[in-house]
Amino acid sequence: QVQLQESGPGLVKPSETLSLTCSVSSGSISGYYWSWIRQPPGKRLEWIGYIYYSGSTNYNPSLQSRVTMSVDTSKNQFSLSLTSVTAADTAVYYCARYIRATDYYLDYWGQGALVTVSS
Amino acid sequence: DIQMTQSPFSLSASVGDRVTITCRASQSISRYLNWYQQKSGKAPKVLIYSASSLQSGVPSRFSGSGSGTDFTLTISSLQPEDFATYYCQQSQSFPLTFGQGTKVEIK
Repeated sequence: QVQLQESGPGLVKPSETLSLTCSVSSGSISGYYWSWIRQPPGKRLEWIGYIYYSGSTNYNPSLQSRVTMSVDTSKNQFSLSLTSVTAADTAVYYCARYIRATDYYLDYWGQGALVTVSS
Repeated sequence: DIQMTQSPFSLSASVGDRVTITCRASQSISRYLNWYQQKSGKAPKVLIYSASSLQSGVPSRFSGSGSGTDFTLTISSLQPEDFATYYCQQSQSFPLTFGQGTKVEIK
C-alpha cells in the first residue's frame, strides 16, 4: 500500500515562503500524478495543483502566481513552495496521488501537515 | 471554476439508518464525481469514484449514483464508524473542486 508523508515547518512568518515535501513509500513516484490539497480550519478542501513525475504541472489559477511544485524521482519525493504567505494560507496541507486514467480521483493521501502563518 | 454544493450541511442519524447525501455541480460534469470520507483529524479517504464505482476495500453499504449535475451518496445501514464528514469532488475540469462537506452525527 502506497504511503505518503508530508514534512516541513509548522510555522511560517507572513510574507515568507511555505515549503513542504511529500515522501512516497511502498510505491514508485514514476508514472503518476501527485497533488497538493489544503484545508483551512473549518473550511472545505482546496486543490492547489498537481505535478506529473516527469515534471509537468497544473496549478489552481487562484494560487498560480505564488505556487511552484517540483519532483525528485531519485528520492521518491515531490515538493510544494508557496510564496508571500498570509494568515489566509494557514491550513492543513495534504499531499495525495491523483489517478488520471479512465477514472480521475485522489486515491492515497498523506496524514496532513498543519502550517500556521503567524509572526 | 465548477462550484459543488452539498446538502444537507449536517445530519443526525442513528445506527442502522439509511442516509442520503446530495451533491450538485454548477454545470454538467458527466460522471466525474468522487466521494470522500474524512474523520476528525484524519486525511480524506476515497469511497466512490466516477459517480458509482466503489473503491477497493470500502464496505458495500456505501453506494453512489447520478450524472450530469446531480449526484447522491447513500449509506444503506449506518454503522458507528461511519460518523464523519463527507465531501464530493469533481474531476471534470481544472481546478478540481470540492463540496463544502456534510457532517454525519450520532442522533
